[in-house]
Amino acid sequence: QKEVEQNSGPLSVPEGAIASLNCTYSDRGSQSFFWYRQYSGKSPELIMSIYSNGDKEDGRFTAQLNKASQYVSLLIRDSQPSDSATYLCAVTGYSTLTFGKGTMLLVSP
Amino acid sequence: DADVTQTPRNRITKTGKRIMLECSQTKGHDRMYWYRQDPGLGLQLIYYSFDVKDINKGEISDGYSVSRQAQAKFSLSLESAIPNQTALYFCATSEDSPFGTQYFGPGTRLLVL
Repeated sequence: QKEVEQNSGPLSVPEGAIASLNCTYSDRGSQSFFWYRQYSGKSPELIMSIYSNGDKEDGRFTAQLNKASQYVSLLIRDSQPSDSATYLCAVTGYSTLTFGKGTMLLVSP
Repeated sequence: DADVTQTPRNRITKTGKRIMLECSQTKGHDRMYWYRQDPGLGLQLIYYSFDVKDINKGEISDGYSVSRQAQAKFSLSLESAIPNQTALYFCATSEDSPFGTQYFGPGTRLLVL
């Protein structure tokens, strides 16, 4: 059984701060990793994907992957109140995604 | 127009009724998925299909069935609805690649009384 673990939160940060979201996974064969953002009652939307060890940056978002430690993280710089949402980590082996339960992020003005 | 659409968006039904949730996509993807989401439990895969002739069970398929009518259409049925199937249901599609990003529909909120 593939498992993806996330702290449920909420993670509270002030506006302008860096938010750090973490995820661990159990399947060493996992090859691709995704971060989705989900606003309450809405569908998940992709923020970042990462496939290789190291960092990947896209605007205010940075995804970090460490396959040896089976760990993937998402950093959000200059957090904004509009970033308040639940962030889902998703991991794939070959064909389907396994989602974590998500971490709720609250950014206060 | 949205690339992935779901109908209905909201549905209230009674225990024992058969209902169908429909999903259509214009992205041209072969792969389609049905998930349910319960508060605090994340997204759970119900069924997935890699093409019209390929249907696979996910982790929570009991009590559900699916039909892939065409590349663009994938329907989920609850044969005899029960209250613990009350949830938010999402359809998703992806490209034909192990690394394919999944694109989600807007969801169907189902309440079984």
